[in-house]
Amino acid sequence: DTEVTQTPKHLVMGMTNKKSLKCEQHMGHRAMYWYKQKAKKPPELMFVYSYEKLSINESVPSRFSPECPNSSLLNLHLHALQPEDSALYLCASSPAFGGYTFGSGTRLTVV
Amino acid sequence: AQSVSQHNHHVILSEAASLELGCNYSYGGTVNLFWYVQYPGQHLQLLLKYFSGDPLVKGIKGFEAEFIKSKFSFNLRKPSVQWSDTAEYFCAVMTGGYQKVTFGTGTKLQVIP
Repeated sequence: DTEVTQTPKHLVMGMTNKKSLKCEQHMGHRAMYWYKQKAKKPPELMFVYSYEKLSINESVPSRFSPECPNSSLLNLHLHALQPEDSALYLCASSPAFGGYTFGSGTRLTVV
Repeated sequence: AQSVSQHNHHVILSEAASLELGCNYSYGGTVNLFWYVQYPGQHLQLLLKYFSGDPLVKGIKGFEAEFIKSKFSFNLRKPSVQWSDTAEYFCAVMTGGYQKVTFGTGTKLQVIP
């Protein structure tokens, strides 16, 4: 299995909703990442998990809450988002020395 | 903090033309370098990477890149592009304990049949 699987592919949520994005990989990668990509912009790093511990938080607002239940799973919990949070959310994983494998992303729309 | 510059924002080429996309980074320490491609409606895919050794790196689909340390550059090349190469190309730099990757702003390549 050489893929990173993200669910759901599309999500529309209201500003008072709570939802979660899920990411799964079975390549044995011990680093997992959340990126945010706005239209016509490069991906921006949000969080890095290394060996299931949060190692980098790029000053992301607390309405985004990451969770790494085990070495194969990465969640992003969403609460009280704003319309400007609408974007493509990308999950990625990597071995210690290697390039990222990206998932296909969740396209989030906040209404 | 590291930064990555891609000066070509939009490149239009005819099929069979040669391609070179520029990438410059600013970081004084050891870096690892990547090129990613994003085809329309698809996710990012790794084209090639440089960690050490031969500065001329060959990737998938006939792409190659050359790391020139003195110029802080990692330009992407392909001798003859195809219509199917139409995509957005991102240069990226990995620093900070091999966890933090910073992407350039991307170059949109349009290949005309």
